[in-house]
Amino acid sequence: GEDVEQSLFLSVREGDSSVINCTYTDSSSTYLYWYKQEPGAGLQLLTYIFSNMDMKQDQRLTVLLNKKDKHLSLRIADTQTGDSAIYFCAEYHGGSQGNLIFGKGTKLSVKP
Amino acid sequence: DTEVTQTPKHLVMGMTNKKSLKCEQHMGHRAMYWYKQKAKKPPELMFVYSYEKLSINESVPSRFSPECPNSSLLNLHLHALQPEDSALYLCASSPTSGGAGEQFFGPGTRLTVL
Repeated sequence: GEDVEQSLFLSVREGDSSVINCTYTDSSSTYLYWYKQEPGAGLQLLTYIFSNMDMKQDQRLTVLLNKKDKHLSLRIADTQTGDSAIYFCAEYHGGSQGNLIFGKGTKLSVKP
Repeated sequence: DTEVTQTPKHLVMGMTNKKSLKCEQHMGHRAMYWYKQKAKKPPELMFVYSYEKLSINESVPSRFSPECPNSSLLNLHLHALQPEDSALYLCASSPTSGGAGEQFFGPGTRLTVL
């Protein structure tokens, strides 16, 4: 089956690291994505990781993938108030008509 | 040009109106998508166009009618909508409908049906 789970809320202090977690059920997922959505806006693609990788770093963002446990995490270093948003994890199964399966989103609140 | 644009940003319509949402990308992407997003929910896929042909219709009611006039444009025609259709409508594009699946989203059209 296809299911992506995320915790709904995370609150951190400015300057701390944030870790947003995601679990998925379909082991055939080829790519896993993190999207950011600010209030009233569309989704911004932050980063993605191919399923044969276990880590990807891009400036303040680090993605860790544990394929055995089907667990994905997004770490934001030195979290800023501008990072406050909803973060969606999504999995992609590939194929000619593949589409994204989104988690429910984690609302990150950054306190000054 | 590396973005997906959508017009209008906001739309208010009555249940008897006919209106259209527009989406445009100039990244040479060959797959385009319509999603519906209700408040505090993830986006739900509605339609996928691949090489200007409709490839996925996720059992969307016929009051929503997609159209892909060319590889850069995607429209969503609306007719006889219901108040529960009020939502943020997001357009996205990707290089192809296969491959990495990396989708780029537009800012959305906030639709209110009275």
